[in-house]
Amino acid sequence: DGGITQSPKYLFRKEGQNVTLSCEQNLNHDAMYWYRQDPGQGLRLIYYSQIVNDFQKGDIAEGYSVSREKKESFPLTVTSAQKNPTAFYLCASSSQGLGNQPQHFGDGTRLSIL
Amino acid sequence: GENVEQHPSTLSVQEGDSAVIKCTYSDSASNYFPWYKQELGKRPQLIIDIRSNVGEKKDQRIAVTLNKTAKHFSLHITETQPEDSAVYFCAAQKGGSASKIIFGSGTRLSIRP
Repeated sequence: DGGITQSPKYLFRKEGQNVTLSCEQNLNHDAMYWYRQDPGQGLRLIYYSQIVNDFQKGDIAEGYSVSREKKESFPLTVTSAQKNPTAFYLCASSSQGLGNQPQHFGDGTRLSIL
Repeated sequence: GENVEQHPSTLSVQEGDSAVIKCTYSDSASNYFPWYKQELGKRPQLIIDIRSNVGEKKDQRIAVTLNKTAKHFSLHITETQPEDSAVYFCAAQKGGSASKIIFGSGTRLSIRP
């Protein structure tokens, strides 16, 4: 979807370094999500946010942090506490219409360790 | 806890034949079941979804069926084509749109020419 932009497309992290992945959406969606995808595996939820200034931990939040200061933006920081950060990271958003609405995904960021 | 199991993990079918992927969910409160297709290195994209008040939904060559009693739902692709080759994910969600969604582990579908 052109409405969700993730950057950068590729990112390299040195040991002990924090890195931040950007996710911006212009779909006016209230909810935003971060997923981690490892090779040959499904999507695991890291964090999600239902509204500005609020977010909840997903299934694998340890070693990650997020903020939601603006409706359009939901950056993810991979901290040095995350010992195995190499993965494909996907950001998604959804509206809060009548009933459940599908999630729209960005193109992803591929993170590797130097 | 909440869980979605997806089978098979890999599936190879002859071009023109049908493909079926099955998912089972654990939370009976789930009421929304989307299916996503992910091509290699790309974003997952919604291909079809079904809500709990419907038993079946079709969109051209794709159909999804839902059995709430058994808590399972299936994706059916007929007349498969090479461009159907991808990884397919099922998912289940309860409550409102902003609640978290649980994904299956994915099925890698290959279409043999």
